[in-house]
Amino acid sequence: ETGVTQSPTHLIKTRGQQVTLRCSSQSGHNTVSWYQQALGQGPQFIFQYYREEENGRGNFPPRFSGLQFPNYSSELNVNALELDDSALYLCASSLANRVYGYTFGSGTRLTVV
Amino acid sequence: GENVEQHPSTLSVQEGDSAVIKCTYSDSASNYFPWYKQELGKGPQLIIDIRSNVGEKKDQRIAVTLNKTAKHFSLHITETQPEDSAVYFCAASTQGGSEKLVFGKGTKLTVNP
Repeated sequence: ETGVTQSPTHLIKTRGQQVTLRCSSQSGHNTVSWYQQALGQGPQFIFQYYREEENGRGNFPPRFSGLQFPNYSSELNVNALELDDSALYLCASSLANRVYGYTFGSGTRLTVV
Repeated sequence: GENVEQHPSTLSVQEGDSAVIKCTYSDSASNYFPWYKQELGKGPQLIIDIRSNVGEKKDQRIAVTLNKTAKHFSLHITETQPEDSAVYFCAASTQGGSEKLVFGKGTKLTVNP
């Protein structure tokens, strides 16, 4: 059984640029949820993808968008990067849009300069 | 919406002592309360969880208690070991469309040898 893998592990972007982060869900899981974790804080829900559609969204602006593919992997896209977007971005996979048994990846550390 | 408060923010104990972390939540509809351990450079790892129809759950040295009336739940670690040192997060699930987790701000636990 493979776990959740995220790529890249680290990246540095300039304010105003766009970024794409990737997540492969755990084998057998069909739901991917994305969280933003600022330094010293708990993770905050961005959105969830289930059956290739956005299935719930937290308090994040439209410049945060995502995709889910037929193999259940997912992308998080952020446009017009701001300094405050610097954070650890985590994806969690689960079954049938539930939170039970969330499996988190190790995250992507994004730094915006 | 749901709000989760976690205390203390830092906790230092001697090896072999017990550690207790407490959380309160605001939404009485929340029905699932997981605890995560996050080590440096890694994603959160589920260590124990409890559902609202249960008052207590134990797994070896780790136990969680839930008081639905008071809307608080606690993590108890007995016989602490240096490898228990990490940041611990409590969370509560929310309903309404997609399920998501609302996290506390975390407790940095240090176990001194």
